[in-house]
Amino acid sequence: AQTVTQSQPEMSVQEAETVTLSCTYDTSESDYYLFWYKQPPSRQMILVIRQEAYKQQNATENRFSVNFQKAAKSFSLKISDSQLGDAAMYFCAYRSPGTASKLTFGTGTRLQVTL
Amino acid sequence: NAGVTQTPKFRILKIGQSMTLQCTQDMNHNYMYWYRQDPGMGLKLIYYSVGAGITDKGEVPNGYNVSRSTTEDFPLRLELAAPSQTSVYFCASTEVTVHTEAFFGQGTRLTVV
Repeated sequence: AQTVTQSQPEMSVQEAETVTLSCTYDTSESDYYLFWYKQPPSRQMILVIRQEAYKQQNATENRFSVNFQKAAKSFSLKISDSQLGDAAMYFCAYRSPGTASKLTFGTGTRLQVTL
Repeated sequence: NAGVTQTPKFRILKIGQSMTLQCTQDMNHNYMYWYRQDPGMGLKLIYYSVGAGITDKGEVPNGYNVSRSTTEDFPLRLELAAPSQTSVYFCASTEVTVHTEAFFGQGTRLTVV
């Protein structure tokens, strides 16, 4: 079974600064997808960014980018120019093309953004 | 465009009571899931369905039941509620292709007292 580990329960960043959230995973599969989801206090799960395992190029979405290291099974999220609205729980998730393509989540990192 | 709709948003149950959490999606997705989110534990899969009439257990199915009579609806039934079932419950749906994102409902906060 796949596992996803987020070793940082909480992180803090000053507004306009850059922060990196860590995620590692364990799998024996070669084809899979990785996702970062944001969960603000409203509880809504919002997709931030996704990465295909067979693509070497790191995904980027505006201020959000990933550092995907397939051999190391690492998938970190970098948030540039942090904004107050970035404060939330962030979950790393793994999805494989197996039965039902289930998502496996990490335990989350709570990001605080300070002035 | 409603997406995934969960009801209710909040509920307090007494120990031993039963209830059904409703989930409906209007995106014609075949895959649907129920997760529970406990503090500091991330989201854990309770049950999932790959289509109408087909359901299967996830990681933490004990104390729950599901059914999938239509593509749109995937209700979660709690029988004999216990304090350990106090959690936030999320329903999600997605297309079959693995690169697509999962869409989540807004969650149900359930407290069992």
